[in-house]
Amino acid sequence: DGGITQSPKYLFRKEGQNVTLSCEQNLNHDAMYWYRQDPGQGLRLIYYSQIVNDFQKGDIAEGYSVSREKKESFPLTVTSAQKNPTAFYLCASSIGRPSNTEAFFGQGTRLTVV
Amino acid sequence: GQQVMQIPQYQHVQEGEDFTTYCNSSTTLSNIQWYKQRPGGHPVFLIQLVKSGEVKKQKRLTFQFGEAKKNSSLHITATQTTDVGTYFCAGGGSYIPTFGRGTSLIVHP
Repeated sequence: DGGITQSPKYLFRKEGQNVTLSCEQNLNHDAMYWYRQDPGQGLRLIYYSQIVNDFQKGDIAEGYSVSREKKESFPLTVTSAQKNPTAFYLCASSIGRPSNTEAFFGQGTRLTVV
Repeated sequence: GQQVMQIPQYQHVQEGEDFTTYCNSSTTLSNIQWYKQRPGGHPVFLIQLVKSGEVKKQKRLTFQFGEAKKNSSLHITATQTTDVGTYFCAGGGSYIPTFGRGTSLIVHP
């Protein structure tokens, strides 16, 4: 089945630790995105990538880092510099053309800092 | 940058009543999409509108794109409990979808 997979579904992290969230897609999409969702805040863009080996900061990139070494993979690292990391993280992909920005989402990772 | 505003933030309805959510952009959009997120789930694509004044229907859902391509609406006729969730619009101007904050629909049986 084609789709986008995020893992793990739930993640607990101690303060001061870095943690990496996985995102893999087999839709052959060029563009991939990471969003953060907090209650009442909608979807806020963290990082995005249009092609392999290239990525750009979104609206709330501070405290996060990404890589795009393969077309299929776009992992997100939440670093200890992120002041309030507890949130629901959503990865998405799209064809990557302005004429069609239909986004396909993964199931999400719910990160809790303990 | 591009901003997409969505109202209302919450809407309570009795089952069988109609529901409408509105999306407004500060800039002209090349297209607009609508997504539904069930409680505890992830956003799922519903539809994309591209043409000025376009109207599309999916069963009880009616989607409209404004003549100026700066606003859009989603109307649900005779809501059901299965309609519960948050509805997001997302505007396309570049290849990055910009999401509104969403409207959470609560349907009371």
